[in-house]
Amino acid sequence: LAKTTQPISMDSYEGQEVNITCSHNNIATNDYITWYQQFPSQGPRFIIQGYKTKVTNEVASLFIPADRKSSTLSLPRVSLSDTAVYYCLVGDRDSGAGSYQLTFGKGTKLSVIP
Amino acid sequence: DVKVTQSSRYLVKRTGEKVFLECVQDMDHENMFWYRQDPGLGLRLIYFSYDVKMKEKGDIPEGYSVSREKKERFSLILESASTNQTSMYLCASSFLYDYGYTFGSGTRLTVV
Repeated sequence: LAKTTQPISMDSYEGQEVNITCSHNNIATNDYITWYQQFPSQGPRFIIQGYKTKVTNEVASLFIPADRKSSTLSLPRVSLSDTAVYYCLVGDRDSGAGSYQLTFGKGTKLSVIP
Repeated sequence: DVKVTQSSRYLVKRTGEKVFLECVQDMDHENMFWYRQDPGLGLRLIYFSYDVKMKEKGDIPEGYSVSREKKERFSLILESASTNQTSMYLCASSFLYDYGYTFGSGTRLTVV
């Protein structure tokens, strides 16, 4: 699995757009990029997944440049409830059964300030 | 609402005890996982299973074993609990070829 690098922490004011960038220089052709969110005392929650260009859902957008060596999770107009740890993960979509395990790093701790 | 249910939210056990952590999912997922989470170390994979009676070691399997007799249930067993196994344990599940995991709320285990 490709290793990912992301900032340890970020601060943002309420109402701002937050962009968290993840580096994955060794990403392979078949790898997909997945982001999770974790609130204190809860298990992580799947947010978004993508392969290239842009993916958007009701929670966030994911921007992936053409070389796919990085990705950016964008959270529009954050509120205090978006304070959480955000994890970026890369995994091979074409692996055989039994290969879809994810290795979580330490993530990015986002603190939203009133 | 689909979910992953872990049998206990908090658990206190004595050193040397055999401990069972139970996880049940109602989404007909093939994959099930056990992680532990410790401050400063992130989530670490202990074991996972992609089918009934199948199990694969994760990054830190020492001191643990697992059992998957039914598709919906995945048990983590601490054969002889030790204080260094005090941690938050998280169970997750997903479809066979899917990185979209659903996690349980976790079991905070304290071994004294």
